[in-house]
Amino acid sequence: AQTVTQSQPEMSVQEAETVTLSCTYDTSESDYYLFWYKQPPSRQMILVIRQEAYKQQNATENRFSVNFQKAAKSFSLKISDSQLGDAAMYFCAYRSGDSGYALNFGKGTSLLVTP
Amino acid sequence: DTGVSQDPRHKITKRGQNVTFRCDPISEHNRLYWYRQTLGQGPEFLTYFQNEAQLEKSRLLSDRFSAERPKGSFSTLEIQRTEQGDSAMYLCASSLVGQLGETQYFGPGTRLLVL
Repeated sequence: AQTVTQSQPEMSVQEAETVTLSCTYDTSESDYYLFWYKQPPSRQMILVIRQEAYKQQNATENRFSVNFQKAAKSFSLKISDSQLGDAAMYFCAYRSGDSGYALNFGKGTSLLVTP
Repeated sequence: DTGVSQDPRHKITKRGQNVTFRCDPISEHNRLYWYRQTLGQGPEFLTYFQNEAQLEKSRLLSDRFSAERPKGSFSTLEIQRTEQGDSAMYLCASSLVGQLGETQYFGPGTRLLVL
Protein backbone atom coordinates (compact mmCIF):
# COMPACT_ATOMS: atom_id res chain seq x y z
CA ALA A 1 0.00 0.00 0.00
CA GLN A 2 1.13 3.51 -0.71
CA THR A 3 2.25 5.52 2.29
CA VAL A 4 2.26 9.28 2.67
CA THR A 5 4.59 10.94 5.15
CA GLN A 6 4.33 14.46 6.50
CA SER A 7 7.36 14.94 8.70
CA GLN A 8 6.37 18.30 10.18
CA PRO A 9 3.62 17.95 12.81
CA GLU A 10 3.55 21.74 13.31
CA MET A 11 4.77 24.77 11.42
CA SER A 12 4.58 28.46 12.15
CA VAL A 13 4.73 31.43 9.79
CA GLN A 14 4.31 35.17 10.15
CA GLU A 15 1.64 36.96 8.21
CA ALA A 16 2.79 37.94 4.70
CA GLU A 17 5.72 35.50 4.82
CA THR A 18 6.20 32.28 2.88
CA VAL A 19 6.09 28.76 4.30
CA THR A 20 6.72 25.33 2.79
CA LEU A 21 5.06 22.16 4.01
CA SER A 22 6.74 18.84 3.21
CA CYS A 23 5.25 15.60 1.95
CA THR A 24 6.87 12.43 0.70
CA TYR A 25 5.17 9.30 -0.58
CA ASP A 26 6.07 5.75 -1.41
CA THR A 27 4.71 4.09 -4.54
CA SER A 28 5.71 1.79 -7.36
CA GLU A 29 3.03 3.17 -9.67
CA SER A 30 3.66 5.59 -12.49
CA ASP A 31 0.12 6.94 -12.78
CA TYR A 32 -1.25 8.70 -9.73
CA TYR A 33 -2.57 11.97 -8.35
CA LEU A 34 -1.43 14.04 -5.41
CA PHE A 35 -3.52 16.49 -3.42
CA TRP A 36 -3.18 19.01 -0.63
CA TYR A 37 -6.28 19.49 1.51
CA LYS A 38 -6.85 22.13 4.19
CA GLN A 39 -8.92 21.44 7.31
CA PRO A 40 -9.58 24.57 9.43
CA PRO A 41 -10.51 24.00 13.08
CA SER A 42 -14.01 22.51 13.33
CA ARG A 43 -14.60 23.09 9.65
CA GLN A 44 -14.72 20.82 6.66
CA MET A 45 -11.83 19.72 4.52
CA ILE A 46 -11.33 21.65 1.31
CA LEU A 47 -9.08 21.04 -1.66
CA VAL A 48 -6.10 23.38 -1.93
CA ILE A 49 -4.31 22.05 -4.97
CA ARG A 50 -4.00 18.95 -7.18
CA GLN A 51 -1.10 17.54 -9.19
CA GLU A 52 -1.26 14.84 -11.86
CA ALA A 53 1.89 12.68 -11.83
CA TYR A 54 2.16 12.72 -15.63
CA LYS A 55 2.47 16.50 -15.66
CA GLN A 56 5.97 17.88 -15.25
CA GLN A 57 4.76 21.41 -14.62
CA ASN A 58 4.12 22.23 -10.97
CA ALA A 59 0.53 23.14 -10.13
CA THR A 60 -0.30 26.61 -8.84
CA GLU A 61 -3.47 28.11 -7.39
CA ASN A 62 -3.11 31.79 -6.53
CA ARG A 63 -0.85 31.95 -3.43
CA PHE A 64 -0.46 28.17 -3.30
CA SER A 65 2.06 26.23 -5.37
CA VAL A 66 3.69 22.84 -5.24
CA ASN A 67 7.17 21.53 -5.84
CA PHE A 68 6.60 18.10 -7.36
CA GLN A 69 9.75 15.99 -7.59
CA LYS A 70 8.61 12.68 -9.08
CA ALA A 71 11.95 10.87 -8.88
CA ALA A 72 12.39 11.87 -5.26
CA LYS A 73 8.69 11.15 -4.53
CA SER A 74 8.34 14.53 -2.93
CA PHE A 75 5.35 16.89 -3.09
CA SER A 76 5.78 20.04 -1.02
CA LEU A 77 3.27 22.89 -0.69
CA LYS A 78 4.40 26.51 -0.71
CA ILE A 79 2.10 29.17 0.70
CA SER A 80 3.12 32.71 -0.26
CA ASP A 81 1.97 35.91 1.44
CA SER A 82 0.50 33.92 4.33
CA GLN A 83 -2.79 35.14 5.78
CA LEU A 84 -4.42 34.52 9.15
CA GLY A 85 -7.09 32.49 7.36
CA ASP A 86 -4.45 30.02 6.21
CA ALA A 87 -4.17 28.64 9.75
CA ALA A 88 -5.37 25.03 9.58
CA MET A 89 -4.32 21.40 9.39
CA TYR A 90 -2.90 20.60 5.98
CA PHE A 91 -3.09 17.06 4.67
CA CYS A 92 -1.17 15.60 1.78
CA ALA A 93 -2.99 12.78 -0.04
CA TYR A 94 -2.21 10.22 -2.73
CA ARG A 95 -4.60 8.51 -5.11
CA SER A 96 -3.70 5.71 -7.47
CA GLY A 97 -4.43 6.18 -11.13
CA ASP A 98 -4.61 2.45 -11.74
CA SER A 99 -6.07 0.66 -8.74
CA GLY A 100 -8.90 2.07 -6.69
CA TYR A 101 -10.04 5.53 -5.83
CA ALA A 102 -9.30 5.73 -2.10
CA LEU A 103 -7.25 8.68 -0.92
CA ASN A 104 -4.26 7.82 1.29
CA PHE A 105 -3.60 10.69 3.65
CA GLY A 106 -0.59 11.74 5.66
CA LYS A 107 -0.94 12.60 9.34
CA GLY A 108 -1.11 16.29 8.63
CA THR A 109 0.79 19.46 9.45
CA SER A 110 -0.73 22.05 11.74
CA LEU A 111 0.02 25.54 10.41
CA LEU A 112 -0.02 28.49 12.78
CA VAL A 113 -0.05 31.99 11.31
CA THR A 114 1.09 34.78 13.62
CA PRO A 115 0.33 38.48 13.12
CA ASP B 1 -24.56 24.17 -6.30
CA THR B 2 -24.77 22.72 -2.80
CA GLY B 3 -21.86 20.83 -1.34
CA VAL B 4 -21.72 17.50 0.43
CA SER B 5 -23.94 17.43 3.51
CA GLN B 6 -23.92 15.06 6.46
CA ASP B 7 -26.40 14.41 9.22
CA PRO B 8 -26.17 14.48 12.17
CA ARG B 9 -23.13 16.65 12.78
CA HIS B 10 -22.65 15.25 16.27
CA LYS B 11 -23.76 12.02 17.90
CA ILE B 12 -23.26 10.82 21.45
CA THR B 13 -24.22 7.25 22.17
CA LYS B 14 -23.68 4.57 24.75
CA ARG B 15 -21.54 1.54 24.09
CA GLY B 16 -23.56 -1.24 22.53
CA GLN B 17 -26.07 1.02 20.78
CA ASN B 18 -26.51 1.22 17.02
CA VAL B 19 -26.02 4.48 15.15
CA THR B 20 -26.71 5.55 11.57
CA PHE B 21 -25.24 8.46 9.67
CA ARG B 22 -26.43 9.97 6.43
CA CYS B 23 -24.50 11.60 3.59
CA ASP B 24 -25.93 13.57 0.68
CA PRO B 25 -23.33 14.03 -2.08
CA ILE B 26 -23.08 16.82 -4.62
CA SER B 27 -26.07 16.17 -6.86
CA GLU B 28 -24.36 15.08 -10.09
CA HIS B 29 -21.58 13.10 -8.41
CA ASN B 30 -21.74 9.35 -8.93
CA ARG B 31 -18.96 8.24 -6.59
CA LEU B 32 -19.37 8.47 -2.84
CA TYR B 33 -16.76 7.69 -0.19
CA TRP B 34 -16.69 7.17 3.56
CA TYR B 35 -13.61 7.92 5.69
CA ARG B 36 -12.89 7.84 9.39
CA GLN B 37 -10.67 10.39 11.11
CA THR B 38 -9.41 10.02 14.65
CA LEU B 39 -7.80 12.80 16.65
CA GLY B 40 -4.40 13.80 15.34
CA GLN B 41 -4.61 11.57 12.28
CA GLY B 42 -5.44 11.95 8.64
CA PRO B 43 -8.66 10.43 7.30
CA GLU B 44 -8.64 6.68 6.65
CA PHE B 45 -10.63 5.16 3.83
CA LEU B 46 -13.56 2.91 4.74
CA THR B 47 -15.55 2.26 1.56
CA TYR B 48 -16.80 3.74 -1.68
CA PHE B 49 -19.77 3.46 -4.03
CA GLN B 50 -20.16 4.04 -7.69
CA ASN B 51 -23.82 4.80 -8.15
CA GLU B 52 -25.54 2.18 -5.95
CA ALA B 53 -22.75 -0.43 -6.14
CA GLN B 54 -20.32 -0.74 -3.25
CA LEU B 55 -17.04 -1.37 -5.06
CA GLU B 56 -14.38 -1.34 -2.38
CA LYS B 57 -14.19 -1.88 1.37
CA SER B 58 -11.13 -1.44 3.54
CA ARG B 59 -10.06 -3.79 6.30
CA LEU B 60 -11.14 -1.09 8.75
CA LEU B 61 -14.75 -1.80 7.87
CA SER B 62 -15.51 -4.55 10.38
CA ASP B 63 -18.65 -6.70 10.35
CA ARG B 64 -20.32 -4.20 12.66
CA PHE B 65 -20.20 -1.56 9.93
CA SER B 66 -22.52 -1.48 6.96
CA ALA B 67 -22.97 1.11 4.27
CA GLU B 68 -25.66 1.49 1.66
CA ARG B 69 -26.48 3.76 -1.23
CA PRO B 70 -29.84 2.34 -2.32
CA LYS B 71 -30.75 4.65 -5.20
CA GLY B 72 -27.33 5.94 -6.08
CA SER B 73 -27.98 9.25 -4.35
CA PHE B 74 -27.62 9.57 -0.57
CA SER B 75 -25.74 7.01 1.50
CA THR B 76 -26.03 5.70 5.04
CA LEU B 77 -23.34 4.29 7.30
CA GLU B 78 -24.53 2.15 10.20
CA ILE B 79 -22.44 1.00 13.13
CA GLN B 80 -23.93 -1.80 15.19
CA ARG B 81 -23.01 -2.53 18.82
CA THR B 82 -20.82 0.55 19.06
CA GLU B 83 -17.53 0.39 20.95
CA GLN B 84 -15.49 3.19 22.50
CA GLY B 85 -12.92 2.70 19.77
CA ASP B 86 -15.52 3.76 17.21
CA SER B 87 -15.33 7.33 18.53
CA ALA B 88 -14.11 9.39 15.60
CA MET B 89 -15.12 11.85 12.90
CA TYR B 90 -16.86 10.10 10.00
CA LEU B 91 -16.33 11.95 6.75
CA CYS B 92 -18.19 11.56 3.50
CA ALA B 93 -16.88 12.70 0.13
CA SER B 94 -18.12 12.59 -3.43
CA SER B 95 -16.63 12.84 -6.90
CA LEU B 96 -17.63 12.79 -10.55
CA VAL B 97 -16.48 9.93 -12.76
CA GLY B 98 -14.39 11.13 -15.68
CA GLN B 99 -13.58 14.51 -14.20
CA LEU B 100 -9.86 15.13 -14.58
CA GLY B 101 -8.08 14.05 -11.42
CA GLU B 102 -11.50 13.16 -10.00
CA THR B 103 -11.18 15.41 -6.98
CA GLN B 104 -13.09 14.28 -3.91
CA TYR B 105 -15.16 16.94 -2.16
CA PHE B 106 -15.74 16.45 1.53
CA GLY B 107 -18.68 17.06 3.80
CA PRO B 108 -18.45 18.58 7.29
CA GLY B 109 -18.38 15.16 8.97
CA THR B 110 -20.29 13.47 11.76
CA ARG B 111 -18.46 13.43 15.07
CA LEU B 112 -19.28 10.29 17.05
CA LEU B 113 -18.60 9.88 20.75
CA VAL B 114 -19.22 6.49 22.31
CA LEU B 115 -19.48 6.54 26.09
